Amino acid sequence: DAGVIQSPRHEVTEMGQEVTLRCKPISGHDYLFWYRQTMMRGLELLIYFNNNVPIDDSGMPEDRFSAKMPNASFSTLKIQPSEPRDSAVYFCASSPSNRGTQYFGPGTRLTVL
Amino acid sequence: AQKVTQAQTEISVVEKEDVTLDCVYETRDTTYYLFWYKQPPSGELVFLIRRNSFDEQNEISGRYSWNFQKSTSSFNFTITASQVVDSAVYFCALRAGIQGAQKLVFGQGTRLTINP
Repeated sequence: DAGVIQSPRHEVTEMGQEVTLRCKPISGHDYLFWYRQTMMRGLELLIYFNNNVPIDDSGMPEDRFSAKMPNASFSTLKIQPSEPRDSAVYFCASSPSNRGTQYFGPGTRLTVL
Repeated sequence: AQKVTQAQTEISVVEKEDVTLDCVYETRDTTYYLFWYKQPPSGELVFLIRRNSFDEQNEISGRYSWNFQKSTSSFNFTITASQVVDSAVYFCALRAGIQGAQKLVFGQGTRLTINP
């Protein structure tokens, strides 16, 4: 079975540009999560969805960040405008239930120049 | 509030040695789940094990074993006869709270280097 799929794997952009990260969860998983990993802050949850509905976005750093899940097999995390401090690895994860294990995608390494 | 502490930032051992990675957690909830994830140099996060708060049985999977002790709020991970392929950053994580609260709280990770 395919795991969580993320694209692109690497993204380099200039400050002020819009960035869109994409995620396809494991089929049948009802929960989808976006995490960010940085050296300073480690792994932190940004937002998660249940059945395509955002449940907790308290980890989203500011209004420049937005996430959507238009259907059960696709989610996006958008940063507009991007800033150098947004440089990080962004992980998407999915889980089959509220008590289930979260399985992570390979991550997107974002560099904002 | 939930918190996970991995006091060992880096560990370096020679191949075939046994090594234990420590994890101490804090939570006021009586129902919670503990996890270990591996992050190899390629960068992905690989799930290793999950334990719930009502199951204190230790677990062994090949060269890997886990020791869960509620009395000391610890969930330690031991690799026996380590191999170079075990080199990675290992994260301990906690999920606690009311139903629907899905936040995984991660420790800062332990970078394990196995030298040939």
